[in-house]
Amino acid sequence: NAGVTQTPKFQVLKTGQSMTLQCAQDMNHEYMSWYRQDPGMGLRLIHYSVGAGITDQGEVPNGYNVSRSTTEDFPLRLLSAAPSQTSVYFCASSLQGLSDTQYFGPGTRLTVL
Amino acid sequence: AQSVSQHNHHVILSEAASLELGCNYSYGGTVNLFWYVQYPGQHLQLLLKYFSGDPLVKGIKGFEAEFIKSKFSFNLRKPSVQWSDTAEYFCAVRSNSGYALNFGKGTSLLVTP
Repeated sequence: NAGVTQTPKFQVLKTGQSMTLQCAQDMNHEYMSWYRQDPGMGLRLIHYSVGAGITDQGEVPNGYNVSRSTTEDFPLRLLSAAPSQTSVYFCASSLQGLSDTQYFGPGTRLTVL
Repeated sequence: AQSVSQHNHHVILSEAASLELGCNYSYGGTVNLFWYVQYPGQHLQLLLKYFSGDPLVKGIKGFEAEFIKSKFSFNLRKPSVQWSDTAEYFCAVRSNSGYALNFGKGTSLLVTP
């Protein structure tokens, strides 16, 4: 199993550009989530999904969209990038819920100029 | 508001010193408690977790944590740290909704030879 994979590893955007961060897992986990990690802030939940076709907002959803068309994939879209979205983004999945053990991907380091 | 507090943001220890990292949470009810570790350049991985039963839980690499319900605490301990324990440590608690984990802001541990 590859576990949770994320692409790209690094990305630089200009303000106003859009992009999609990819996340995939091959463990047949129903629950997937996106976090952002900022210095001194820990991890904050952006969006999560409890299964294909079902998504919901986390703590900091503004400026991000998600969809879950398959169990395996959970892309995160930045509609119009802002410098405040400079961060490291982690995708995670779990078998029995967001309160269960999370398996994290390697992260995407995003810089918005 | 629900919150998770990690009291020590930066800790510096010499090898063989004992470690205790504090974690407190602000809400009652049933809780699932976790400690995650992020080694330099790597993604987050689970150190240990508590769901129920013996409040003293043992994790990987000699770490343990004690759940004290009356103090709303879940402190992480290790009797003798090694240089390879240099990492960032995150406490996480299941939220009341059950649909998310609340992470603390993290504690950066530096172990010097």
